[in-house]
Amino acid sequence: GAVVSQHPSWVICKSGTSVKIECRSLDFQATTMFWYRQFPKQSLMLMATSNEGSKATYEQGVEKDKFLINHASLTLSTLTVTSAHPEDSSFYICSAFITGGPFPYNEQFFGPGTRLTVL
Amino acid sequence: AQTVTQSQPEMSVQEAETVTLSCTYDTSESNYYLFWYKQPPSRQMILVIRQEAYKQQNATENRFSVNFQKAAKSFSLKISDSQLGDTAMYFCAHTNAGKSTFGDGTTLTVKP
Repeated sequence: GAVVSQHPSWVICKSGTSVKIECRSLDFQATTMFWYRQFPKQSLMLMATSNEGSKATYEQGVEKDKFLINHASLTLSTLTVTSAHPEDSSFYICSAFITGGPFPYNEQFFGPGTRLTVL
Repeated sequence: AQTVTQSQPEMSVQEAETVTLSCTYDTSESNYYLFWYKQPPSRQMILVIRQEAYKQQNATENRFSVNFQKAAKSFSLKISDSQLGDTAMYFCAHTNAGKSTFGDGTTLTVKP
């Protein structure tokens, strides 16, 4: 399989500040990257779909002005949580996907996740 | 829209025994993939097994196998010879064009 990294793995910030999370595909160029949010003992909730060079597509109910996604290259997508509040505290997971190529099975490759705590 | 249902929030099994996790899904698509993922306490999502919907043969990966019933839209996971390291949350996922819909998960505990 392929490797996806996320940075940072854990971040604590004060309410009102912004936090940027990076997602990188290390050994392949991702057609698409996805951003998920996960609360403890719950499922992954898709927040947005990110394609290189185009605007992200947000799922219903996700505030695009709060969760800014930039997909600057085929190996990097960033999620910025703007004006973070305690209710934004969660585990954020990215995944990378490539159409066809060496991975023909519609498989997503997941990053290790980022734990965000907003005080 | 796709939906994925895992009806067993928690399960437990004795070490070395066999356990089956259930998953049903609903989709109007004809081409799709189904996956089982494992999420241990580290929370890294790990692929357990995949199944292409156009293949009738059930996928197997060592101790893990699936029972794929396309007409019934059922995709259960069987874990044989359960090991302590299998303790984790397991998610069933329906995927098309890379976009996945996940079930709510089943927390599996393997007891010594």
